[in-house]
Amino acid sequence: EVQLLESGGGLVQPGGSLRLSCAASGFTFSSYAMSWVRQAPGKGLEWVSTISGSDASTSYADSVKGRFTISRDNSKNTLYLQVNSLRGGDTAVYYCARRPGVYRGFDYWGQGTLVTVSS
Amino acid sequence: SYELTQPPSVSVSPGQTASITCSGDKLGDKPAFWYQQKPGQSPVLVIYQDGMRPSGIPERFSGSNSGNTATLTISGTQAMDEADYYCQAWDSSSSYVFGTGTKVTVL
Repeated sequence: EVQLLESGGGLVQPGGSLRLSCAASGFTFSSYAMSWVRQAPGKGLEWVSTISGSDASTSYADSVKGRFTISRDNSKNTLYLQVNSLRGGDTAVYYCARRPGVYRGFDYWGQGTLVTVSS
Repeated sequence: SYELTQPPSVSVSPGQTASITCSGDKLGDKPAFWYQQKPGQSPVLVIYQDGMRPSGIPERFSGSNSGNTATLTISGTQAMDEADYYCQAWDSSSSYVFGTGTKVTVL
């Protein structure tokens, strides 16, 4: 059974940093691209970043480029998102999701981890 | 940046057909996806590659994509289909983009 379990969220002051993690199980992690998607309270979904499975190429939404860094450790079956220079607008539930291919969408999602940016 | 627009809400009677549109420039040239999200839950992929259903998704969910519009159709809508629905497209320059979301109410 495919499982994705996010952790690392919490309350952080503006300008602060966090590292979010997503522990994967039930599939060959290194064979899949992975993504982060966020959802602000009461708002819609926003794609944040994607990393390929093999060569670890990355892409980012303009809203987070230069502040967030996606990475993965295939030996630990874990996806990461380093979030720096946090702003109030970054307050959201952050989901990790598996991407089987460009034409397959995001087929499995974690339960999400909440990041709250507030002083 | 690329944008996808959906109607904020759609209402449907049980057993009837609900159609949710997603509009974007030359959307038909890009692969489109649809997600269902119920309150307090994570999104679920219901349509990929314009009109394909993942395993376990009921046949009453179907999709199409042409011109500037992708459409999710729910035939024989059931009370359990009440949820928020989001379209998504892959654009080579903007990578993945989500639509604004549509709340489906089954009256």
